[in-house]
Amino acid sequence: NAGVTQTPKFQVLKTGQSMTLQCAQDMNHEYMSWYRQDPGMGLRLIHYSVGAGITDQGEVPNGYNVSRSTTEDFPLRLLSAAPSQTSVYFCASRMTGGFSETQYFGPGTRLLVL
Amino acid sequence: GENVEQHPSTLSVQEGDSAVIKCTYSDSASNYFPWYKQELGKRPQLIIDIRSNVGEKKDQRIAVTLNKTAKHFSLHITETQPEDSAVYFCAASRRGGSEKLVFGKGTKLTVNP
Repeated sequence: NAGVTQTPKFQVLKTGQSMTLQCAQDMNHEYMSWYRQDPGMGLRLIHYSVGAGITDQGEVPNGYNVSRSTTEDFPLRLLSAAPSQTSVYFCASRMTGGFSETQYFGPGTRLLVL
Repeated sequence: GENVEQHPSTLSVQEGDSAVIKCTYSDSASNYFPWYKQELGKRPQLIIDIRSNVGEKKDQRIAVTLNKTAKHFSLHITETQPEDSAVYFCAASRRGGSEKLVFGKGTKLTVNP
């Protein structure tokens, strides 16, 4: 049971480049989400999904796209990277309903946009 | 949408003292309030949580209290130890509703030996 995994761990991009941050979980969690963490700003929700085929915007969705074709995977796409997107990105997952409410985080992806 | 305010942003205590971190939320429909601890360079991890039908919950040296009327909740750490030094985040969500978990901006706790 690997929990929540994220790839890559580190990435350097040039302004305007595109990339996809990968996130996968093997706990059969319906709910998955993406956060960005910047100094002094806490964890800000980018996008979230309550199940395959269902996504919704969080607090800071601009510049990011998501899709949820399977329960396991929830990739985050940057279509045209900007320096303001330099951050640490965390993916998280948990069950919806049920007894366990713990949200588990992945190890994070550190992104630098030059 | 939900907004979570967290205070203080930094907190320094002596080993053995108590530490209290406070949060307020805006959405009266929020019903689940977890607290996360994040050590330097690591991912956030759940340390305690509380549902809106409970006023207080304890787990060894950690306790959380909830005041639904005032829409605020607090984390209490007693007998602090150096290994309690970390950033602590509060969060709120409406389970059974939108489900999204919104975080406060965090409190950096330093426990001085």
